[in-house]
Amino acid sequence: DAGVTQSPTHLIKTRGQHVTLRCSPISGHKSVSWYQQVLGQGPQFIFQYYEKEERGRGNFPDRFSARQFPNYSSELNVNALLLGDSALYLCASSLAYPPGLPEAFFGQGTRLTVV
Amino acid sequence: AQSVTQPDIHITVSEGASLELRCNYSYGATPYLFWYVQSPGQGLQLLLKYFSGDTLVQGIKGFEAEFKRSQSSFNLRKPSVHWSDAAEYFCAVLGNEKLTFGTGTRLTIIP
Repeated sequence: DAGVTQSPTHLIKTRGQHVTLRCSPISGHKSVSWYQQVLGQGPQFIFQYYEKEERGRGNFPDRFSARQFPNYSSELNVNALLLGDSALYLCASSLAYPPGLPEAFFGQGTRLTVV
Repeated sequence: AQSVTQPDIHITVSEGASLELRCNYSYGATPYLFWYVQSPGQGLQLLLKYFSGDTLVQGIKGFEAEFKRSQSSFNLRKPSVHWSDAAEYFCAVLGNEKLTFGTGTRLTIIP
């Protein structure tokens, strides 16, 4: 079975640009979460979606938005990129709710570099 | 709000030696606790989890962790480390519909 897949794996953007990151959860999983991991830090929660509805939002500016589609895949959008947005963006899916139960499965992440 | 503290930023141990990584959490209710491992440039892999019941939980790759409510701790242990255990280790608590991670402990193994 395929795990959580994220695309692209790497990308480089210029300050002020927009970026869209994609995530496909494990088949049957309806819960998707997004995390930002800055180099040398632990992952920070950005968004939580369950059954296509936003169920939680972390302390991130409105430049960050997300959505979940009917097939439970998800997109994370970031507008007006800043240098500080450079990070590894992780997507996690889980079978149940609350998210992470009984286990959260993480994708390999998208490495975003803003120059 | 919940929080996780991993007081050791970097630990170096010899191959074959025992290992203990510390984790302290803060959460008002009964916590769901996790340990994840991350190899360079990779995502996170779950090592073990605690939901309830037996306070000593076994995980993959020979790891175990003990939940101590009185100390708000969930320390990770392994009796004998292997070179392949070198990685970053994250403790996390599930609460308020999100996972909150510690800052991680980088483990280096020396021959």
